[in-house]
Amino acid sequence: GENVEQHPSTLSVQEGDSAVIKCTYSDSASNYFPWYKQELGKRPQLIIDIRSNVGEKKDQRIAVTLNKTAKHFSLHITETQPEDSAVYFCAATSNSGYALNFGKGTSLLVTP
Amino acid sequence: DAGITQSPRHKVTETGTPVTLRCHQTENHRYMYWYRQDPGHGLRLIHYSYGVKDTDKGEVSDGYSVSRSKTEDFLLTLESATSSQTSVYFCATNRDTGQPQHFGDGTRLSIL
Repeated sequence: GENVEQHPSTLSVQEGDSAVIKCTYSDSASNYFPWYKQELGKRPQLIIDIRSNVGEKKDQRIAVTLNKTAKHFSLHITETQPEDSAVYFCAATSNSGYALNFGKGTSLLVTP
Repeated sequence: DAGITQSPRHKVTETGTPVTLRCHQTENHRYMYWYRQDPGHGLRLIHYSYGVKDTDKGEVSDGYSVSRSKTEDFLLTLESATSSQTSVYFCATNRDTGQPQHFGDGTRLSIL
């Protein structure tokens, strides 16, 4: 399958700081890039997504940027809060066009 | 989320027994997916369906089969369970390719 690499695997920040998670993908045909947040014991929940015809998208404290040439996209969380602590997954559409290939996740810890 | 119900939520069984997990959705979504989630591996696609009776294999399909006899139900079967199939299984659905996938609450399966 196509690979989605995600870094870092763990990230610890202080409340109020920014957090950045980066992903790279290998399939140049990928055109949809969602980000999911998963709290312990819960299901993954979509927090933001971006399509290949857009370079940046924001939703309050969360933003995603996409560089199609370099095949990488990033999640930016500003003014982090303890409730932002969770595992975050990036994903990209696979070569089948149907399914998603997921990164292995970033465990974010926001300390008060 | 998107009216997705997975059953059972928890199951413990023995090696060599057959196991069937059910995903039921009330959103009339065309596409349905089965993922497994393991520590260090993120979410990996097992099988997916793009319509009634239309299914295809994902990245980790060995040892699994699926069936979709009606729009709302997608069944995942382990014909002869092995300990390596101990995992958390998530079902997801979306209306169309390139649209957000929404996840069920997951099934925690332990094979002893």
